[in-house]
Amino acid sequence: AQSVTQLDSHVSVSEGTPVLLRCNYSSSYSPSLFWYVQHPNKGLQLLLKYTSAATLVKGINGFEAEFKKSETSFHLTKPSAHMSDAAEYFCVVSDLSKKSSGDKLTFGTGTRLAVRP
Amino acid sequence: NAGVTQTPKFQVLKTGQSMTLQCAQDMNHEYMSWYRQDPGMGLRLIHYSVGAGITDQGEVPNGYNVSRSTTEDFPLRLLSAAPSQTSVYFCASSYGPWDFGRREAFFGQGTRLTVV
Repeated sequence: AQSVTQLDSHVSVSEGTPVLLRCNYSSSYSPSLFWYVQHPNKGLQLLLKYTSAATLVKGINGFEAEFKKSETSFHLTKPSAHMSDAAEYFCVVSDLSKKSSGDKLTFGTGTRLAVRP
Repeated sequence: NAGVTQTPKFQVLKTGQSMTLQCAQDMNHEYMSWYRQDPGMGLRLIHYSVGAGITDQGEVPNGYNVSRSTTEDFPLRLLSAAPSQTSVYFCASSYGPWDFGRREAFFGQGTRLTVV
């Protein structure tokens, strides 16, 4: 069985300072991992994904994440926070199933990022 | 390109009432699904469909019905609403069932449902 743990439910940073959102996963297979962002009253949008290629993945809006198999982690970072980054962020693991029903996604519980002026 | 469109955005129901949440996509996606989002629980899969005429249950299907008569539409029906169904509902789609977990899932803006 697969699972995702987002270690912080809320993170608050000042504008211009680094962002770190932590995610640990558990999977029986070599997983695909994603970060999705949800801005207020919006749907979820793909930020970046890891699918067994380069372990350092770059996404949109300056975000990146590093897949560390030994630590079973996929932390999301950004060098300098912007006010527009305030949103909820979800770490997601996919089991890459071969079933006809397709892959099963498991969502973390989310991290709400606040950015202070 | 509209993407995934959900209606309504907000709804209040009384216990025992029925309603249908609408979901439509214009990307010719084969795979569509419904999730509910509850505080502290992430998103949980309710039902999904791998193509027109084919539906199946997800993680939390009780109290919900779906059908898929066309590629574009995937409505979610609550036959007798209960307070436990108060949640935010998201419809999501992808080109195929494996694109969902390997490429990208496209989400609607959500329907906020309150059952009183």
